[in-house]
Amino acid sequence: DIQLTQSPSFLSASVGDRVTITCRASQGINTYLAWYQQQPGKAPRLLIYDASTLQSGVPSRFSGSGSGTEFTLTISSLQPEDFATYYCQQLNGSPLFTFGPGTTVDF
Amino acid sequence: QIQLVESGGGVVQPGRSLRLSCVASEFTFSHYGMHWVRQAPGKGLEWVAVIWFDGNNKYYADSVKGRFTISRDNSEKTVYLQMNSLRAEDTAVYYCVRDRVEYIVAVNGLDVWGQGTTVIVSS
Repeated sequence: DIQLTQSPSFLSASVGDRVTITCRASQGINTYLAWYQQQPGKAPRLLIYDASTLQSGVPSRFSGSGSGTEFTLTISSLQPEDFATYYCQQLNGSPLFTFGPGTTVDF
Repeated sequence: QIQLVESGGGVVQPGRSLRLSCVASEFTFSHYGMHWVRQAPGKGLEWVAVIWFDGNNKYYADSVKGRFTISRDNSEKTVYLQMNSLRAEDTAVYYCVRDRVEYIVAVNGLDVWGQGTTVIVSS
């Protein structure tokens, strides 16, 4: 089974900061990776799919990159509403679509 | 608007069963793969199960294989999760989630999430 790790697990940041989160897969997954944002008490929200394609309605300060085993999610200028937990998910075509452990972005 | 509404959660004793339902609205339900994803209290997301748009393929996380069954009724625009032999570690919020793209299961992300239904397994 494909395992995902995320780093860091916790990130302290301020409004306006550039933030980068890394997701690593235990084996190559091409670009079959998605990123989600979850705010406390809410359902997750799809941000990026195919590793780098922005979901409709998601602000352009979010971007994704990578392929194979290493991926990044970048927030170019952190906004107050971006303080949340971020998850990557592999969608490699394996029938087990695992999530990463999450990265919490906080003050 | 496009919406998924889960129901069926509750408090259940270990070893007992529960069936979750998720009703879809404002999209062509029969064209989309559907998933269940859960989140234990204070923990991360765990993918649980997927069912193909036509119901012909179903896959499960190892943690629930043999105990949970996903199914769907396209005429009722509903996906189900039958949970048997429940354990304390199954305690979680269960989300019903839609594939982003019609007819192509999972590869392009999951874009519509329900509000979740809470399952508590406790004696």
